[in-house]
Amino acid sequence: DAGVIQSPRHEVTEMGQEVTLRCKPISGHNSLFWYRQTMMRGLELLIYFNNNVPIDDSGMPEDRFSAKMPNASFSTLKIQPSEPRDSAVYFCASSTGTGTYNEQFFGPGTRLTVL
Amino acid sequence: SQQGEEDPQALSIQEGENATMNCSYKTSINNLQWYRQNSGRGLVHLILIRSNEREKHSGRLRVTLDTSKKSSSLLITASRAADTASYFCATVPNTGGFKTIFGAGTRLFVKA
Repeated sequence: DAGVIQSPRHEVTEMGQEVTLRCKPISGHNSLFWYRQTMMRGLELLIYFNNNVPIDDSGMPEDRFSAKMPNASFSTLKIQPSEPRDSAVYFCASSTGTGTYNEQFFGPGTRLTVL
Repeated sequence: SQQGEEDPQALSIQEGENATMNCSYKTSINNLQWYRQNSGRGLVHLILIRSNEREKHSGRLRVTLDTSKKSSSLLITASRAADTASYFCATVPNTGGFKTIFGAGTRLFVKA
């Protein structure tokens, strides 16, 4: 298995632009997580899906952030409009079961820079 | 302060020595997990210990959990240069929610 796949690996954009991050979870995993990592705030859970349904989005910072999971093999995290403070590494992770009681498998991350 | 705080923030040791990292948390938990992150990479799961367990081993890793003190420790024995990474504890609060909360991490540097 290729593991969790994220694209792009790096994204540089200008303030105000729309950014879409993509994630393909491990086949057979039914839980998917989006995290954001910064030096100041560490690793923060943004949103968690189980069986393609958003279960907990309390970590989504603002309405500028939205996430979808149209099917079991694909999820997107969109930021519109982007701001410099959104610069971070965004990780997607997947897991079996409910996800919170099992290990999470992380993707390599997308490093986002908003100028 | 946040759930899941590691101590120390940074640790530098010689190859062959043991490394001990600690994690404290605030609320009751279902389980506690330890992850490793190499520079520029995603996190890799190391070990999970459930709230009714006190100690767990995996290779050179030993994890303890003291729910009365709300703390856990990760011991890496006979460290190697390849163990150089950041180590995070992650907790799932026993509040019926689904949020996994990661600590700020301990940066371990093992000198060859």
